[in-house]
Amino acid sequence: EVQLVESGGGLVQPGRSLRLSCAASGFTFDAYSMHWVRQPPGKGLEWVSGIHQNNGRIDYADSVKGRFTISRDNAKNSLYLQMNSLRVEDTAFYYCVKGGFDGPGWGQGTLVTVSS
Amino acid sequence: EIVMTQSPATLSVSPGERATLSCRASQSTSSNLAWYQQKPGQAPRLLIYGASTRATGIPARFSGSGSGTEFTLTISSLQSEDFAAYYCQQYNNWPWTFGQGTKVEIK
Repeated sequence: EVQLVESGGGLVQPGRSLRLSCAASGFTFDAYSMHWVRQPPGKGLEWVSGIHQNNGRIDYADSVKGRFTISRDNAKNSLYLQMNSLRVEDTAFYYCVKGGFDGPGWGQGTLVTVSS
Repeated sequence: EIVMTQSPATLSVSPGERATLSCRASQSTSSNLAWYQQKPGQAPRLLIYGASTRATGIPARFSGSGSGTEFTLTISSLQSEDFAAYYCQQYNNWPWTFGQGTKVEIK
């Protein structure tokens, strides 16, 4: 069974940084692309970033390009999101999501609140 | 970027009735289309992937159909626990994109 556990969320001031982590288990981590998806409270879902299995392809939503960096450590079955220059509008639940054509798999999310 | 459009925004249905939700893509997503259910305070729950394959543990009253640009989620007989928001998502191309959601409410 796919298990994805996010951590690292919390309250942070605008302009500061935060690093999210995602621990994966229950599947062959290095065989799948991995993604971050976010959802502001009460609003819809937005894809944030994705990283290919072997780090060969990385992409970002325009709203976070230049501020966020996605990375993965296949030896540790872990996915990361370094978030710099955070803005109030980055406030959201952040979900770690497994890619692949056998169906996405989601974590339970971690809440990031950007506020002064 | 593929734009996903869901209709209707809100669907009022009585328990036991059938609900039909639609999702349209601005360009073909092949069959790489997923449906999610989300209740307040919870993460999205995968219902359907590959346009028509039920995820593990999903009741048979949920079914998905379509390919290319037109997709449908059908709930054959609504149960009380099915009143929630539903989202479609294409994962054929990056960036992944989501519909804006359909809220299924009690009539």
